[in-house]
Amino acid sequence: EIVLTQSPGTLSLSPGERATLSCRASQSVSSSYLAWYQQKPGQAPRLLIYGASSRATGIPDRFSGSGSGTDFTLTISRVEPEDFAVYYCQQYGSSPPTFGGGTKVEIK
Amino acid sequence: QVQLVESGGGLVKPGGSLRLSCVASGFTFSDYYMSWIRQAPGKGLEWLSYTSGSSSYTNYADSVKGRFTISRDNAQNSLYLQMNSLRAEDTAVYYCARVPRGYTYGREDCWGQGTLVTVSS
Repeated sequence: EIVLTQSPGTLSLSPGERATLSCRASQSVSSSYLAWYQQKPGQAPRLLIYGASSRATGIPDRFSGSGSGTDFTLTISRVEPEDFAVYYCQQYGSSPPTFGGGTKVEIK
Repeated sequence: QVQLVESGGGLVKPGGSLRLSCVASGFTFSDYYMSWIRQAPGKGLEWLSYTSGSSSYTNYADSVKGRFTISRDNAQNSLYLQMNSLRAEDTAVYYCARVPRGYTYGREDCWGQGTLVTVSS
């Protein structure tokens, strides 16, 4: 199974700053089948990005995804107060689908 | 609007059984693969199982294979997870989630609110 490693574990930022989250896979992710989710406390995850770089319906354009092969990045161009949350990457190019351990974006 | 509502969680003793349900609305349920995904307290997400729209195809994570069974009733727009031989490490919030058309698993685009299962004596 593909192991996804997310870094950093915690990112401390002020509103308006740029956030860069990394997701590294133990082997190449087929067809860039890499998704990103946002999860706030007490809520279910919400799909942000699929196919490494396509935004899901209703996701603001300050969220962008990039990467291929084994290295992927989620960028939040200017962090808004509602963006403080935990972010997970998921690969769905091979079975079983797997998730990274998450990156917490917290208020500095 | 698209909605998934889980139920059936609760406290169960080790070795016991529980059946989770997930009722779907707002979309043609039978057209979609569906997944179960769980999250242990304070931990990350773990995919458990998927089933095809017609129930013809199912798959399980090694951690639950042989103990958990996924099923669905398209007439009732319902997804189920039968959990047997429960262990303390199965304690988690369990989510049902929809897989977009054209995919078998992954990039789940709609999630329920989750139901908490606690395995403890």
